[in-house]
Order: sequence, then structure tokens, then C-alpha cells
Amino acid sequence: EDQVTQSPEALRLQEGESSSLNCSYTVSGLRGLFWYRQDPGKGPEFLFTLYSAGEEKEKERLKATLTKKESFLHITAPKPEDSATYLCAVRPSNDYKLSFGAGTTVTVRA
Amino acid sequence: GAVVSQHPSWVICKSGTSVKIECRSLDFQATTMFWYRQFPKQSLMLMATSNEGSKATYEQGVEKDKFLINHASLTLSTLTVTSAHPEDSSFYICSARESTSAQETQYFGPGTRLLVL
Repeated sequence: EDQVTQSPEALRLQEGESSSLNCSYTVSGLRGLFWYRQDPGKGPEFLFTLYSAGEEKEKERLKATLTKKESFLHITAPKPEDSATYLCAVRPSNDYKLSFGAGTTVTVRA
Repeated sequence: GAVVSQHPSWVICKSGTSVKIECRSLDFQATTMFWYRQFPKQSLMLMATSNEGSKATYEQGVEKDKFLINHASLTLSTLTVTSAHPEDSSFYICSARESTSAQETQYFGPGTRLLVL
């Protein structure tokens, strides 16, 4: 069974204080690892898809990396508007369904 | 990025009535869509996979006769909550799978909040 574990559960940062979120996974043949951002009361917003170990993708202050066992989402010099819950999900090669982690709630204080 | 819409964004209904939620992919065709529900401060729980032109596939523990799914076209899937009860109150979110030669991802709708009185 595919499993996704995210840590920490919650992260409180000062504006400008860089940090990383972790997503550990086990999956039967990784087709893709996805990162989403979710604001309260809204649907998840797509951030990145990573397909193979060693791959990196960036978007503004966010950078996602992937190894064979985990993925990191680095937030560089965060701003209050980066406050959200960040969700990690994996898709196995033999199914279209995503398995989600519980998420990391990031709060950035000005 | 691709856009997925949901309608309505919120609905209040009386116990025993049925509610239909629409999910549309606005700028791409989706042969596969998914329906999730989310409880406060919890992650997404997959309810079913909606396949265009065929029957939906339900996750274990989800009543297919209660949550009717119809994927009538490549851009529209509907979820009907039949004989709704207060325990069906939740945040329902759909996603649509987009696959190109370059990449694949699932885009989510904004969600529908259902309150059953």
C-alpha cells in the first residue's frame, strides 16, 4: 500500500526565515510526486510534479526536490502570503489515484 | 495552469433531499476525474474515480447508491448526494486529470461546502 508521511505537522516561521518541509513516501513504482498548496476553505492549488530522483523545480520562493524515498519543499525568505497548508501526494505507475499526506501547515508571521 | 470549476460553491439543504454538484474542466479534456471529501483540519479522502463513458470506481466504505457519479462528457462530472443526512455535511472537492506528452497532473476545483440540516 502506498504511504505518504509529511513532517512537521505545523511550522511557524518569521518572515524571511527559510525552512524546508519533508515528504517521505513508499510507492509501488513512482509515476509522479505532486506538491499542492491549500488555503482554508479552498481546493488545493497545483505547485509541482516531480517524476524522477534528482529532479528539482522552482516557483518564486518555492523549490521542490526529489530522491528515491523523499521530497523536500524549500521555502526561501517566506512572506506572510506563503501561509497555507502544503500537501504532498504520490501517484503509482499502475493507477491514476493519488495518495496524499496529511499536510504541513505553514504560518509566516510578519 | 488548467482550470477546474465546481458548482455550487456552497449549498444548504434539508435532511432527506438530494444535492447535485458539478465539476467542469474548463480548458482541457479529462477522461478521468476524482471526487474527494475533506473534514476540518484533515487531509483529502478519495471517494471515487469518475471515468468518462463508464461506471465510477468507488473507494472502500463509500456507498455507491448514496453518492451517484456521472461522467457524461470529457469536461463534466457530477456527484449527487442522495437522501442527504447531517453526517454528509462536508467539503467536497473534485479534481481532473490532465495528461500531455510533457507532463501529467491533477487540477482541483475550488470545492463545494455542503451543510445538511
